[in-house]
Amino acid sequence: DTGVSQDPRHKITKRGQNVTFRCDPISEHNRLYWYRQTLGQGPEFLTYFQNEAQLEKSRLLSDRFSAERPKGSFSTLEIQRTEQGDSAMYLCASSLPGGGTEAFFGQGTRLTVV
Amino acid sequence: GQNIDQPTEMTATEGAIVQINCTYQTSGFNGLFWYQQHAGEAPTFLSYNVLDGLEEKGRFSSFLSRSKGYSYLLLKELQMKDSASYLCAVRDGEGNYQLIWGAGTKLIIKP
Repeated sequence: DTGVSQDPRHKITKRGQNVTFRCDPISEHNRLYWYRQTLGQGPEFLTYFQNEAQLEKSRLLSDRFSAERPKGSFSTLEIQRTEQGDSAMYLCASSLPGGGTEAFFGQGTRLTVV
Repeated sequence: GQNIDQPTEMTATEGAIVQINCTYQTSGFNGLFWYQQHAGEAPTFLSYNVLDGLEEKGRFSSFLSRSKGYSYLLLKELQMKDSASYLCAVRDGEGNYQLIWGAGTKLIIKP
């Protein structure tokens, strides 16, 4: 297993377009997280899945953002009607169950909205 | 509100020791993590503390005081490759799976 993989690594899109990102977690990890990170800031929590169930979603997340994990394996994050403020690095992480287990991060998808 | 504070930037010399502090104010507490992040790369796990005291892992150690809402990461025998951002993150309660992150401390190592 090569770790958490994300696709694409970079995405440039025009304002108003929809984009979709994919995350493949480490195979035995049932927890999956999406974060957003801008330059000079720590990651900002977006949403969390345990298996296929979306258990937490940030109150900061607008209705334009939606995430799925249909079979409890890979996940997708869709942003509709993108805005320039959506430009950021979108990070996916996965972990085993347990409060102290570390999360393994993917390399991220860098989104630029022009 | 939820708040995690870390210094924005620190500078240290190769071979020396540096301590990066983190203070937190959260509605609850269920563990504190330290991650390292090199520029343009994903964060990688360094340490986890849930009880008071020091956790040592090679050149890196992490300390926690829950009563003071305080943690530090201690890096010994600094190497040039330790130049990175160091992120402090807190899980704010049992059953909450999200982490609340500090903005990170950019550590610059000079020869």
